[in-house]
Amino acid sequence: DAGVTQSPTHLIKTRGQQVTLRCSPKSGHDTVSWYQQALGQGPQFIFQYYEEEERQRGNFPDRFSGHQFPNYSSELNVNALLLGDSALYLCASSSSSGQQFFGPGTRLTVL
Amino acid sequence: KQEVTQIPAALSVPEGENLVLNCSFTDSAIYNLQWFRQDPGKGLTSLLLIQSSQREQTSGRLNASLDKSSGRSTLYIAASQPGDSATYLCAVRPKGARNSGYSTLTFGKGTMLLVSP
Repeated sequence: DAGVTQSPTHLIKTRGQQVTLRCSPKSGHDTVSWYQQALGQGPQFIFQYYEEEERQRGNFPDRFSGHQFPNYSSELNVNALLLGDSALYLCASSSSSGQQFFGPGTRLTVL
Repeated sequence: KQEVTQIPAALSVPEGENLVLNCSFTDSAIYNLQWFRQDPGKGLTSLLLIQSSQREQTSGRLNASLDKSSGRSTLYIAASQPGDSATYLCAVRPKGARNSGYSTLTFGKGTMLLVSP
């Protein structure tokens, strides 16, 4: 079992651009959650996907959107990037037990 | 709104010392509490998970306690080693979150631990 995987590992974008981050859940998991972790901060919940629908959303603007595919993998899209979007983006997957397992993250730098 | 606070923000100790990391949360209606380890620029590794009905969990040199009524948890690390150097994060899952669709976590900012040889 490869666990939770994320791609790419690192990404550099400029302000105003759009970015897509990808996540493959742990085998047997059907729920994917996304978190943003700014430097020196704890992870902040962005949203969670279950059965291809957004189930919960944190306090993030509509520039942040996502998608879940039939194979449970997920994408996080961020439009009109701002300098403040620079962060480590973490994906976590879970099953009915609810315990979340985290991926290695994608480091996004916005210049 | 649930808020999680971790004290201290940073801690530096010599190798071999026993140490305690603290976590407090404002809403005691939690399903469980989890301690994670994070190495610089990396993802989160789960260390210990304590259900709301439990008082403590142990794994090797790590022991985590939970006092739900007072909104506090501690992570005890015995005989610290340089390899323990990392950031330790505490996270709570809300009560009523039995379904996977409601299993979001609220994190503290973490305690950055440095163990020197």
